[in-house]
Amino acid sequence: EVQLVESGGVGVKPGGSLRLSCAASGFTFDDYTMYWVRQVPGKGLEWVSLVSWDADSTYYADSVKGRFTISRDNSKNSLYLQMDSLRTEDTALYYCVKDGGRRVTAAYMDVWGNGTTVTVS
Amino acid sequence: QSVLTQPPSASGTPGQRVTISCSGSSSNIGYNYVYWYQQLPGTAPKLLIYRNDQRPAGVPARFSGSKSGTSASLAINGLRSEDEADYYCTSWDDSLSGSWVFGGGTKLTVL
Repeated sequence: EVQLVESGGVGVKPGGSLRLSCAASGFTFDDYTMYWVRQVPGKGLEWVSLVSWDADSTYYADSVKGRFTISRDNSKNSLYLQMDSLRTEDTALYYCVKDGGRRVTAAYMDVWGNGTTVTVS
Repeated sequence: QSVLTQPPSASGTPGQRVTISCSGSSSNIGYNYVYWYQQLPGTAPKLLIYRNDQRPAGVPARFSGSKSGTSASLAINGLRSEDEADYYCTSWDDSLSGSWVFGGGTKLTVL
């Protein structure tokens, strides 16, 4: 069974930094592109970033470009999101998501973790 | 404002058919697949429809998706109380450097 467990979400002041982690299991991690998607409580979904299965390609939403960095460690089956220059509008629940296609850059967002909460205040 | 446009709410009675629309443009829905997610209260989103009209294993046949031009629809036949949830559409957008874009979500109420 695919499992994605996010961690690292805490409270931080504006301008601060935070690193989110996602531990993956139940599938061959280095075969799949991974995503971060966030959701402000009571609001809709916002795609944040993706990193391809081979880490050769990364994409970012305009709202986080230049401030957030996505990375992965295939030897540890882990996905990360380094968040710098945090703003109040970055406050949200951050989901780690597995792609639905094997060894493709971005097929679709398939399986979701339960999320970790980031509060910037 | 979301790049993809969904009605904020929809409703129906048990057994009815309900449809939820998702409107985009040529840079997203017009040339790319559409995906639908169901988010039950207090839970993570779950993939409901992929590649416009495909259902993942375990998704009931009551759920179906379609796409025409720059719009897509999710249909739920035989509405059940457990279908009460938020529904989101998404598609890849080819403008600028590329990104995934979501609709604002539709809250479905089963009366």
